[in-house]
Amino acid sequence: QVQLVESGGGLVKPGGSLRLSCAASGFTFSDYYMSWIRQAPGKGLEWVSYISSSSSYTNYADSVKGRFTISRDNAKNSLYLQMNSLRAEDTAVYYCARVLGDYEGLFDYWGQGTLVTVSS
Amino acid sequence: VIWMTQSPSLLSASTGDRVIISCRMSQGISSYLAWYQQKPGKAPELLIYAASTLQSGVPSRFSGSGSGTDFTLTISCLQSEDFATYYCQQYYSFPYTFGQGTKLEIK
Repeated sequence: QVQLVESGGGLVKPGGSLRLSCAASGFTFSDYYMSWIRQAPGKGLEWVSYISSSSSYTNYADSVKGRFTISRDNAKNSLYLQMNSLRAEDTAVYYCARVLGDYEGLFDYWGQGTLVTVSS
Repeated sequence: VIWMTQSPSLLSASTGDRVIISCRMSQGISSYLAWYQQKPGKAPELLIYAASTLQSGVPSRFSGSGSGTDFTLTISCLQSEDFATYYCQQYYSFPYTFGQGTKLEIK
């Protein structure tokens, strides 16, 4: 069965960096676009970024553009999110999600999430 | 950016009830709309996509309708496991956006 397991979250000071990872299993990872979506505590969902199956295409929400970088390693079945210049408003649970078919913005499987807290 | 207005924000209902949640777009999105269910402390789960297509494994008491700017999620005959928060989401254009959520609580 499809499994997505995020890791790498934690407490970081404003201006700091963090790298999230997502380990995928149960499907052919290299065939799928992948995405990161976040949810601030007690708030709604916000799409953050996606990456194509071969890493040729990436896209970002304006709120993270220039600070976050999405990447993947198909040999390791892993997705990453490098987060730099972190701000308090980046505090959230970060989910990795598999993109359904050809719809870049549609997510059929989600991981359990990893919490990122940005605070001094 | 496509803005979404989801209503109501809070819905109180009883087991066995039929409930309807609405989602209105700031511009037309054809049928590029999905609905997700999220339970406390858990990740969202895809229920419906293409406005009315049930994701595999989702019970048939869930249904979706609409196109263009107005969409609805209907849950017929509520079960105890359906009390959760529901989000609509458009995937018509970047940036992909979610509604603010509807919390379905037990009356």
